[in-house]
Amino acid sequence: KQEVTQIPAALSVPEGENLVLNCSFTDSAIYNLQWFRQDPGKGLTSLLLIQSSQREQTSGRLNASLDKSSGRSTLYIAASQPGDSATYLCAVEVTGGFKTIFGAGTRLFVKA
Amino acid sequence: NAGVTQTPKFQVLKTGQSMTLQCAQDMNHNSMYWYRQDPGMGLRLIYYSASEGTTDKGEVPNGYNVSRLNKREFSLRLESAAPSQTSVYFCASSGRQGTDTQYFGPGTRLTVL
Repeated sequence: KQEVTQIPAALSVPEGENLVLNCSFTDSAIYNLQWFRQDPGKGLTSLLLIQSSQREQTSGRLNASLDKSSGRSTLYIAASQPGDSATYLCAVEVTGGFKTIFGAGTRLFVKA
Repeated sequence: NAGVTQTPKFQVLKTGQSMTLQCAQDMNHNSMYWYRQDPGMGLRLIYYSASEGTTDKGEVPNGYNVSRLNKREFSLRLESAAPSQTSVYFCASSGRQGTDTQYFGPGTRLTVL
């Protein structure tokens, strides 16, 4: 059974710092891995989607990598800003049914 | 372009009552999903619909039913609500499973007393 784990559960950094959020998954049989952002009381917003054949995706200050063989993904945020404060979730879409399994998220707080 | 809309935003039920959560998307997406989110946990898939006319169980389908009314609409029904179904419910859609990102609605906060 696919399990997705995110470490750390919470992170507090000063503004301007570069940071890395980690995601691991137990089964490499995936179509893709997605990173989402969730603000308090809101829905999820997609940040990056990496197909299983890809190694990384970039969008602005965000860079996500995927190592399917080791079951790991990282989300790198450059030059963090207070507006980046949110919960970040990773999710894998598994083969053999197209189900999406989410991690519990990392709550990020960027201090001004 | 409203994206994914959900109604209602908030709902309080008594144990044993029934209700239907509505979801609609205007992006001409084939696939639609229902998730629940509980404190300290990620989202868990309840049901999904790969295309109009098909539905499949997710991780936690017990106590729920779904209807893919047409390509735009996907509803979730609680026939006899239980306190364990207190949660935030999210609907999502995507163009094609396995390839496209999922777009989420704003959620329905449900409390069952």
